[in-house]
Amino acid sequence: NSKVIQTPRYLVKGQGQKAKMRCIPEKGHPVVFWYQQNKNNEFKFLINFQNQEVLQQIDMTEKRFSAECPSNSPCSLEIQSSEAGDSALYLCASSLLTSAETLYFGSGTRLTVL
Amino acid sequence: QQKVQQSPESLIVPEGGMASLNCTSSDRNVDYFWWYRQHSGKSPKMLMSIFSNGEKEEGRFTVHLNKASLHTSLHIRDSQPSDSALYLCAATSGGNYKPTFGKGTSLVVHP
Repeated sequence: NSKVIQTPRYLVKGQGQKAKMRCIPEKGHPVVFWYQQNKNNEFKFLINFQNQEVLQQIDMTEKRFSAECPSNSPCSLEIQSSEAGDSALYLCASSLLTSAETLYFGSGTRLTVL
Repeated sequence: QQKVQQSPESLIVPEGGMASLNCTSSDRNVDYFWWYRQHSGKSPKMLMSIFSNGEKEEGRFTVHLNKASLHTSLHIRDSQPSDSALYLCAATSGGNYKPTFGKGTSLVVHP
């Protein structure tokens, strides 16, 4: 069973609505990643954090995407104004270090934008 | 930006057979490779990693790495129906720890 906890498991939103998903990394893992896996199984890296600091991120697509990993709170990924093309599985993963380390994935949040 | 190509897209093997999956990076500065397995409806789980040229074996699974050709392969011997899953290859390059994933090989092992 995954020790990376993602909620909710499923999220259904209308176009233009805000969508927010959360992730609790495995205990002791300071590095957190967010990936988007579309229906063609393509993985798109979104952002990664070490503790609360952003390490790398894509040009957060028209600024609709935002993410944070506050101290003592779950990490979160938010889409300000959902579009149909955002429908995908959003996977959170954590790791021990910032290099050559295995990613431990959560079960994902499946977002459907109607 | 690194791209990771996997082949074949899909593979069907009989139970007890050998499955061979391939993965190639586009980046000459590739550092590390991982193989993840994702069963339907589940999250990816790391199967094997390989960082140096050569071969690594764990049970029924063997990975090969040839950094000069930017290529790794995964071989599953005595395939079982429970091995049916999406196999994802991931790689990092240039000291940048942002694993890039391929689109995966969908393996079906039929009884």
